[in-house]
Amino acid sequence: DQQVKQNSPSLSVQEGRISILNCDYTNSMFDYFLWYKKYPAEGPTFLISISSIKDKNEDGRFTVFLNKSAKHLSLHIVPSQPGDSAVYFCAARYYGGSQGNLIFGKGTKLSVKP
Amino acid sequence: EADIYQTPRYLVIGTGKKITLECSQTMGHDKMYWYQQDPGMELHLIHYSYGVNSTEKGDLSSESTVSRIRTEHFPLTLESARPSHTSQYLCASSASYEQYFGPGTRLTVT
Repeated sequence: DQQVKQNSPSLSVQEGRISILNCDYTNSMFDYFLWYKKYPAEGPTFLISISSIKDKNEDGRFTVFLNKSAKHLSLHIVPSQPGDSAVYFCAARYYGGSQGNLIFGKGTKLSVKP
Repeated sequence: EADIYQTPRYLVIGTGKKITLECSQTMGHDKMYWYQQDPGMELHLIHYSYGVNSTEKGDLSSESTVSRIRTEHFPLTLESARPSHTSQYLCASSASYEQYFGPGTRLTVT
């Protein structure tokens, strides 16, 4: 049973527009949520994180929103650029669990069209 | 940002061979991890370590083994490779909740 779900396998966006990637989770004991970006044949790169006590965190073009009551988080990329085309993974850390182990979603492949 | 290295990047090997995937990090992180990932799927944790001489199995059952004799080094070994082991193997390290990943090893067992 998946605890972190990314229900959209793919997303296509025009360059300059907003990309919104979504993630749902089931475990209320998660204390940190992270987004990673992955290019083919490379390892994931950490993008941005948010603590469960916050509802928003911003870093340049990337903003993550957390809605705890809905157990939902989203990553907004504004403006989207062709170089943003990659697979984006949502991950969550279980508080009190095995000292920082992360649980990952299946990823959403973002394509940004020029 | 952590510097973490994996070798080889690509490996094609025959069934029954013993292989060792190397992972090293230069940031002095105590925690290190091995994940397995197939296209379109989530990363599955197969091994982790919280420090020297500490290793644990992850959520996904794996026939591989690991060792942690030095802080910076966390190799993964498959005693007898099988086609079902074909996958991408990702190593990561962390000091807190953020994990930093190496470039991965794409393993193909024929």
